[in-house]
Amino acid sequence: DAGITQSPRHKVTETGTPVTLRCHQTENHRYMYWYRQDPGHGLRLIHYSYGVKDTDKGEVSDGYSVSRSKTEDFLLTLESATSSQTSVYFCAISEWGGQGGWNTEAFFGQGTRLTVV
Amino acid sequence: TQLLEQSPQFLSIQEGENLTVYCNSSSVFSSLQWYRQEPGEGPVLLVTVVTGGEVKKLKRLTFQFGDARKDSSLHITAAQPGDTGLYLCAGSGNTGKLIFGQGTTLQVKP
Repeated sequence: DAGITQSPRHKVTETGTPVTLRCHQTENHRYMYWYRQDPGHGLRLIHYSYGVKDTDKGEVSDGYSVSRSKTEDFLLTLESATSSQTSVYFCAISEWGGQGGWNTEAFFGQGTRLTVV
Repeated sequence: TQLLEQSPQFLSIQEGENLTVYCNSSSVFSSLQWYRQEPGEGPVLLVTVVTGGEVKKLKRLTFQFGDARKDSSLHITAAQPGDTGLYLCAGSGNTGKLIFGQGTTLQVKP
């Protein structure tokens, strides 16, 4: 199994409080991603990183920020949590491979179930 | 903005039937991947297709990448209850950004 862990696995927080989710990898993969999963929406990309201190926005980045100060860690922060951010959050890692340039297999963490009340 | 549209979103069939899931976009992708997800777990890769027109077979599953590299399909022959799950297509371009479709929930009844 790929070495990727998310913490915490479950969290309940109050509206308006800041929340930070952590993703840690031991595979030295270049790319790291944060997704949220809600019924009927598949996986929606929040932010991704293509290297230390190199990040970019995904489809649903409003209300979220990220940081990657080390290759192995990718943090997702909800500055002021809202009920609409109640979701399951997945972190994923992948590498770059092939002459044509494409992502290799993405490995996923076990997910963090976040409830904002 | 790159988008991947999957259809159908829900599929309930009897064991032994065939089915096809589609993944379409107006954007060109360097590669298309298909994942399967079980409840409470993260998605797991089934296949990656990278060449326009490419066809890959994995036992009863056949994956195709469109000639223009904008669409893909997953065909399952003689579905079994063990095929039940959420199927997701994912596309990547030359920036490493990886986006997913909405998913297809497949239920195969015995």
